Amino acid sequence: NAGVTQTPKFRVLKTGQSMTLLCAQDMNHEYMYWYRQDPGMGLRLIHYSVGEGTTAKGEVPDGYNVSRLKKQNFLLGLESAAPSQTSVYFCASSYEELQPQHFGDGTRLSIL
Amino acid sequence: AQRVTQPEKLLSVFKGAPVELKCNYSYSGSPELFWYVQYSRQRLQLLLRHISRESIKGFTADLNKGETSFHLKKPFAQEEDSAMYYCALSGPHSSASKIIFGSGTRLSIRP
Repeated sequence: NAGVTQTPKFRVLKTGQSMTLLCAQDMNHEYMYWYRQDPGMGLRLIHYSVGEGTTAKGEVPDGYNVSRLKKQNFLLGLESAAPSQTSVYFCASSYEELQPQHFGDGTRLSIL
Repeated sequence: AQRVTQPEKLLSVFKGAPVELKCNYSYSGSPELFWYVQYSRQRLQLLLRHISRESIKGFTADLNKGETSFHLKKPFAQEEDSAMYYCALSGPHSSASKIIFGSGTRLSIRP
């Protein structure tokens, strides 16, 4: 039981490049979330999903897209990376609404 | 608007001293409050939640609805408590199925 797994763990991109971050959970959780963590700002929700095939915008969705084609996977895409998107990205999942979230190890992304 | 405020970015105390990490919230209703912790090089994990009314690793937190606070306390700090702590809130009115996190407090325990 791996919990929540994020790949890759580190990535360096050039401005304008695109990439996809993958989050996988093996706990059969309905809810999945993508956050970014920046110094002094804590965790901010980018997008979330309340079930397979559904996605919704969080607090800071601009510049990101997501997909939840399978219940266990939640993908975060950067279409055209910008330096402002340099951050640590965390994926999380929860069984139900309002239940504690289980987090992945994070992905450290640098945009040059 | 729903909000979680952690006024201290950094809290440094000596080993054996009492610790209190402050958390205040703004919410119209009855929220669920959580404390999450992130130790160095580890993933963010749940420390405790107010409905459990339990003590985890010596930490306790009491929900004070009158003061809208959920401060995290420990009577005697240990070096292994050094970590980043996030207070979080969730509830039916917190913008559809999400938890709102505070900005975090870095706790540093000096030997």
